[in-house]
Amino acid sequence: AQTVTQSQPEMSVQEAETVTLSCTYDTSESDYYLFWYKQPPSRQMILVIRQEAYKQQNATENRFSVNFQKAAKSFSLKISDSQLGDAAMYFCAYTGETSGSRLTFGEGTQLTVNP
Amino acid sequence: ETGVTQTPRHLVMGMTNKKSLKCEQHLGHNAMYWYKQSAKKPLELMFVYSLEERVENNSVPSRFSPECPNSSHLFLHLHTLQPEDSALYLCASSQLTGPGNTIYFGEGSWLTVV
Repeated sequence: AQTVTQSQPEMSVQEAETVTLSCTYDTSESDYYLFWYKQPPSRQMILVIRQEAYKQQNATENRFSVNFQKAAKSFSLKISDSQLGDAAMYFCAYTGETSGSRLTFGEGTQLTVNP
Repeated sequence: ETGVTQTPRHLVMGMTNKKSLKCEQHLGHNAMYWYKQSAKKPLELMFVYSLEERVENNSVPSRFSPECPNSSHLFLHLHTLQPEDSALYLCASSQLTGPGNTIYFGEGSWLTVV
């Protein structure tokens, strides 16, 4: 079975600084996808970024980028120029060949942005 | 406005009550999901419906009963719940159920069982 681990329950960053959230996963599948979701106080899960395992290039979405290390099974999220609105719970998630679109989530990292 | 809307946003019910959660997606998707989010636990998939047919149950207790009358609507019928069922219930949708299909979530329904 696939597992996703986020080892940082809480992180904090100063506004305008950069922060990196860690995620590791375990799988024996060769075709899979990784996601970062953001859950602000409104509780809606919002997709931040996704990465296809077969792509070597790291995904980027504006201030959000990932460092995908396939051999190490690591998928970290970097937030540049942090803004107050980035404060939220961030979840790393996985889907693969056997799970289809069903997401396996990590435990989450609560990010605080300090003004 | 989100593409996936859930009602009610908050629900308090007694253990002997019967209530329902409703979800509607406006994205033209063909698959819908119910996830449960409890405190200090990862999100758990409860049900998956694809093209109105249930494809996954994940051994959820029978006191939770899903209904998917069409590809845009999904219900979660609740009866004789337990206090440990108190949680945030998230509805989601995706175009299909294959790997890599991005899942879009609603804002959730907070359920408190007293």
